[in-house]
Amino acid sequence: SAVISQKPSRDICQRGTSLTIQCQVDSQVTMMFWYRQQPGQSLTLIATANQGSEATYESGFVIDKFPISRPNLTFSTLTVSNMSPEDSSIYLCSGGTAARTDTQYFGPGTRLTVL
Amino acid sequence: GQSLEQPSEVTAVEGAIVQINCTYQTSGFYGLSWYQQHDGGAPTFLSYNALDGLEETGRFSSFLSRSDSYGYLLLQELQMKDSASYFCAVRRNRDDKIIFGKGTRLHILP
Repeated sequence: SAVISQKPSRDICQRGTSLTIQCQVDSQVTMMFWYRQQPGQSLTLIATANQGSEATYESGFVIDKFPISRPNLTFSTLTVSNMSPEDSSIYLCSGGTAARTDTQYFGPGTRLTVL
Repeated sequence: GQSLEQPSEVTAVEGAIVQINCTYQTSGFYGLSWYQQHDGGAPTFLSYNALDGLEETGRFSSFLSRSDSYGYLLLQELQMKDSASYFCAVRRNRDDKIIFGKGTRLHILP
């Protein structure tokens, strides 16, 4: 299985500020994704992080609010911009391979609280 | 589009067997996956079925019937540590992204 690390593990932020979450995957992974999960809820895909190009966003998520970078194959960042309390959630990075996207490996998540 | 239905909660007794069902609707189907998530933890991959039948991995088994658009996760010899949420997932047809069901919360009684 792939190893995915993520930081910070949690943060408490003030309204109007931004937080950047980092995700590091091992070399087995070729595809990287960012999800959001409200406590007790399912996982909602935010975007696919594309190496060296703009991320592919899902409906309801925009680059200005959630800028994503992936400068190389094994590293990606997600920024939550101009935060509001509604952004309080768990943000998860995941990785998979193009051959088996059905099998994804998740980082430990970042628990974000916006005051 | 794709949609998945699974029970929101299931309760079982330690040592028993429990089955968590998942029905799906999808315009194209590649396979059904199952993930486990403990409170405060990350989802972890459990199993994947692309073909009809039963796949067994230790105490966990997963079943798929493509003709019925139905699958289930079977957990045997339940242990307290199996208390978690279980998500079924399918690959989205148009771009191969994974779509997760709403999850089934499994409660295990001693």
